[in-house]
Amino acid sequence: EDQVTQSPEALRLQEGESSSLNCSYTVSGLRGLFWYRQDPGKGPEFLFTLYSAGEEKEKERLKATLTKKESFLHITAPKPEDSATYLCAVQAYGGATNKLIFGTGTLLAVQP
Amino acid sequence: GAVVSQHPSRVICKSGTSVKIECRSLDFQATTMFWYRQFPKQSLMLMATSNEGSKATYEQGVEKDKFLINHASLTLSTLTVTSAHPEDSSFYICSARRDLGLAGGFTDEQYFGPGTRLTVT
Repeated sequence: EDQVTQSPEALRLQEGESSSLNCSYTVSGLRGLFWYRQDPGKGPEFLFTLYSAGEEKEKERLKATLTKKESFLHITAPKPEDSATYLCAVQAYGGATNKLIFGTGTLLAVQP
Repeated sequence: GAVVSQHPSRVICKSGTSVKIECRSLDFQATTMFWYRQFPKQSLMLMATSNEGSKATYEQGVEKDKFLINHASLTLSTLTVTSAHPEDSSFYICSARRDLGLAGGFTDEQYFGPGTRLTVT
């Protein structure tokens, strides 16, 4: 069964303190891995898509990387406005078209 | 680009009534949209896949007669919760894939709406 596990469940950082969020996945055949940011009471906001091991993508203070078993979301010198829940999702080949399987997310709190 | 709206953002209804939620892609066409449900501090659970001009595909355990989906155009999908009960209270979120026009196909990414908070009393 396809599965996504995110860790830690919650992370508290001081402003400027860099860290990484983990997304481990088990999927029959990975078509794509997606990172989203979700603020309280809102829908997820798309951040990155990764397709193959070794791929990296960056956006401002965020950098996503992918291996054959997991993905990391690195946050460099975070600011309080980076506080949110970060969701990871995978899409497998075959089955329902473009169906995403989500992890439970990492709740990030950045304190000034 | 890739903006998705939902209406209403918040609704309170009495038990036994029906509620309709609209999902619109504002600046792109979407042959396929998705409906999710999210409980507090939990992740998104896919309820159904909505395809323009055809019947929706429901996930296992989701009652299709209770959660009616209509994808009437390339920019609009609706979810109707029929005979709502308190256990249907939740945060409902839609998403859409962007069609790639004449080239065919669609984006892999799903773009999400802001969500609808349903409370059934």
